[in-house]
This record gives sequence, structure tokens and C-alpha cells, in this order.
Amino acid sequence: DAKTTQPPSMDCAEGRAANLPCNHSTISGNEYVYWYRQIHSQGPQYIIHGLKNNETNEMASLIITEDRKSSTLILPHATLRDTAVYYCIVRVGDMRFGAGTRLTVKP
Amino acid sequence: GAVVSQHPSRVICKSGTSVKIECRSLDFQATTMFWYRQFPKQSLMLMATSNEGSKATYEQGVEKDKFLINHASLTLSTLTVTSAHPEDSSFYICSAKTIWDEQYFGPGTRLTVT
Repeated sequence: DAKTTQPPSMDCAEGRAANLPCNHSTISGNEYVYWYRQIHSQGPQYIIHGLKNNETNEMASLIITEDRKSSTLILPHATLRDTAVYYCIVRVGDMRFGAGTRLTVKP
Repeated sequence: GAVVSQHPSRVICKSGTSVKIECRSLDFQATTMFWYRQFPKQSLMLMATSNEGSKATYEQGVEKDKFLINHASLTLSTLTVTSAHPEDSSFYICSAKTIWDEQYFGPGTRLTVT
């Protein structure tokens, strides 16, 4: 019962912005959009979350469409250390992970 | 952000033995903790939700008698894999939820059953 759809993989050049899309067309009004990432053999790391407004923090920006059916995570200046699997999750309760997007940042 | 630790970070045990994994919230109290399992090249799968002072809620297909969860305090939850078999070899990850509904993950425990 996947609630989000993400591309399985993406590449990005070092120093460029990485834009990771996520579709969540069945999102409910009280569900937040969360983004986590997992670097190989580590626990997931929180990146950002939002409800309907765009959000920005020191790691990334989150752009949520007005109908809330999709969102984009933006890493403004990707580095090699941003290579990871990125998970988009919609939740109001427990956190359930989909397949995520494997982002590879290349020199 | 809040810190969640796990111990041990990796463990090797023999088939038929039991192994306990600890999950601690270091700088906050967590009334709810979660246990996940991740097989190679797969995503995290939620195994169970653990509430302090009550019985854990297991996801469908997860054997509660095999994966014993104890959440005896607001900062500690333990997962015991009983009578481990090679197919239980996996990466086990816990997470803890703050009172503000934020969820932080531990670094994971790699279990290898020989």
C-alpha cells in the first residue's frame, strides 16, 4: 500500500542542485510530507518535513504543490557526501518507508 | 536533533541462540519507539511499535514470540531475537518519537546468524 512514488535512481553533478520528486496523490489533509535519507549501512537521517507550505532549512528545501499531490526535495549544492537513498514519506502516525530514490552525486 | 543510540552496532551469533539489541533515546524521553528490519538492497520494513509500559504492536507477518520487545522505560527499548536462524540475519534499526511527534532513528545493528 505504497503511498508515495519516487524514481528509483537519479544522478546529479557535484555542485549542482539536486531535485528529487515525489508523488503522493492520495495524501490526506492531515498527513505531513517527510523526507529522510539513508547513507549506506547507517540509520535514516531526517532532512525536512512540511504540511502544505514550502519549507527550507540548512540541509534542503521542500516544495509542495498547491494540491499537495506531489513535492520536490531540493539539495541546492549537492556534494559527494549527499550520495544516499532518499525517502519521501507521508504520515500522520508511524513512519513507513517506500523504495526511495538512490541519488548518486558525481564529480 | 535528538540522538538515538543502538547497541551493539554489529553482532554475530550462532543459529539457535538469542540476541538482544538495545535502543536508547539519549537526550529525550520517548513514549513510543519503533523497530525496523532492512534486508540488503531493500527498504526499511516496520516490525513493531513499542509503547512504554505496554505490550508492543506487531506488524502482520512478524512473529511476536520470536521478536520480543520490551519498552520498560522512557529511554530504553530492547529487541530480543530468540532462537535466531540465518534468515534472521539483517540490519535492525530502531527509532524513537519525541513528544513533538518527531521521529529519530538509531544507527542500526547488523545481525549475522551463522
